[in-house]
Amino acid sequence: DQQVKQNSPSLSVQEGRISILNCDYTNSMFDYFLWYKKYPAEGPTFLISISSIKDKNEDGRFTVFLNKSAKHLSLHIVPSQPGDSAVYFCAASGNQFYFGTGTSLTVIP
Amino acid sequence: GEEVAQTPKHLVRGEGQKAKLYCAPIKGHSYVFWYQQVLKNEFKFLISFQNENVFDETGMPKERFSAKCLPNSPCSLEIQATKLEDSAVYFCASSQSAGGTYEQYFGPGTRLTVT
Repeated sequence: DQQVKQNSPSLSVQEGRISILNCDYTNSMFDYFLWYKKYPAEGPTFLISISSIKDKNEDGRFTVFLNKSAKHLSLHIVPSQPGDSAVYFCAASGNQFYFGTGTSLTVIP
Repeated sequence: GEEVAQTPKHLVRGEGQKAKLYCAPIKGHSYVFWYQQVLKNEFKFLISFQNENVFDETGMPKERFSAKCLPNSPCSLEIQATKLEDSAVYFCASSQSAGGTYEQYFGPGTRLTVT
């Protein structure tokens, strides 16, 4: 059973606009959440994380929001740039890492 | 090293042959994880190590798959008698912790093709 879900397989956004990537999870015991970015033929690279005791974490153009009651997190990228085009995975940490199935973001110049 | 290193980058094996993949974690990281990415975007956890000890092997297939992390050697993932369904990209990751507030750092992956 998939404990972390990314229901949008793909997303297209115009350069300069906001990209919002969503992730849902089922296990309320998860205490740490992460976003990874993956280019083709490379391994995932860590982007940003958030602890379950927070509801927002910001790092430059990237902000992660956590809504524990809804078991939902989102990644906001603003402004979006063509170099942001990649597959984004959310992950949740419990006794191991659980990954979502990814959202492919395309930023159109 | 400062990056997780995986070798080889590509591996082609005939069905029934053995495949062995290697991973060198980031220096100072005591946890190593192996993942299998079969479909384009789905990571399946296989096994994790704390130093040379198996930490969690709940994702490891019972047959044909084995893994080791020996002192002063790269970690390895071995598949005996490969099958077509083993074709995937195998990622290794390392971390300072098995969970909690530590991120995992991934290697570039080994693409295994079983023909």
